[in-house]
Amino acid sequence: EAQVTQNPRYLITVTGKKLTVTCSQNMNHEYMSWYRQDPGLGLRQIYYSMNVEVTDKGDVPEGYKVSRKEKRNFPLILESPSPNQTSLYFCASSLGGANTGELFFGEGSRLTVL
Amino acid sequence: KNQVEQSPQSLIILEGKNCTLQCNYTVSPFSNLRWYKQDTGRGPVSLTIMTFSENTKSNGRYTATLDADTKQSSLHITASQLSDSASYICVVRRGRGNFGNEKLTFGTGTRLTIIP
Repeated sequence: EAQVTQNPRYLITVTGKKLTVTCSQNMNHEYMSWYRQDPGLGLRQIYYSMNVEVTDKGDVPEGYKVSRKEKRNFPLILESPSPNQTSLYFCASSLGGANTGELFFGEGSRLTVL
Repeated sequence: KNQVEQSPQSLIILEGKNCTLQCNYTVSPFSNLRWYKQDTGRGPVSLTIMTFSENTKSNGRYTATLDADTKQSSLHITASQLSDSASYICVVRRGRGNFGNEKLTFGTGTRLTIIP
């Protein structure tokens, strides 16, 4: 089954404790991206990757890191989480090239930073 | 500036009633417009895509329209069901050629609640 898998789905942590949210897709997509979703603000892009070893900042990259060592994986790293990073996070992927740009989203990871 | 605005922000209707959600955009040049449905706590899922040459497209009880001249799209839901309760997000793709990050602009969504 074609899917984007995120882990963990739920996480409560404390300020300053490094954490990683994993994202994996099995559709051989070139493009992957991370979003955070907060009430009233919609989806905001954190980082994206056009292909392996190619990553770039989105609209709200502060406090986050990413890597793209393999095509299927795109982990989101919070080196020193703070309470303002409490949010619902989504990973998404899409075909590259001349396609319609449909995004396939994971199920989301709800993060609480105390 | 490329923008996508959706209205209303939220909507509550009775089960069985119809409703229409609006999406206005200033994205240029236009490539396509996609409506996503996002159930609470889940990832968005594509409902339908509208390209420049399409005026109307149906997907079951969902009908999307596009007026490329006025840069407006609507999503009409017929005979609403409780399972239609969700957020509906309009996303516009800009430009032609290969897909790139800069080409997608998101609306903030309409939160639809169906009450029995």
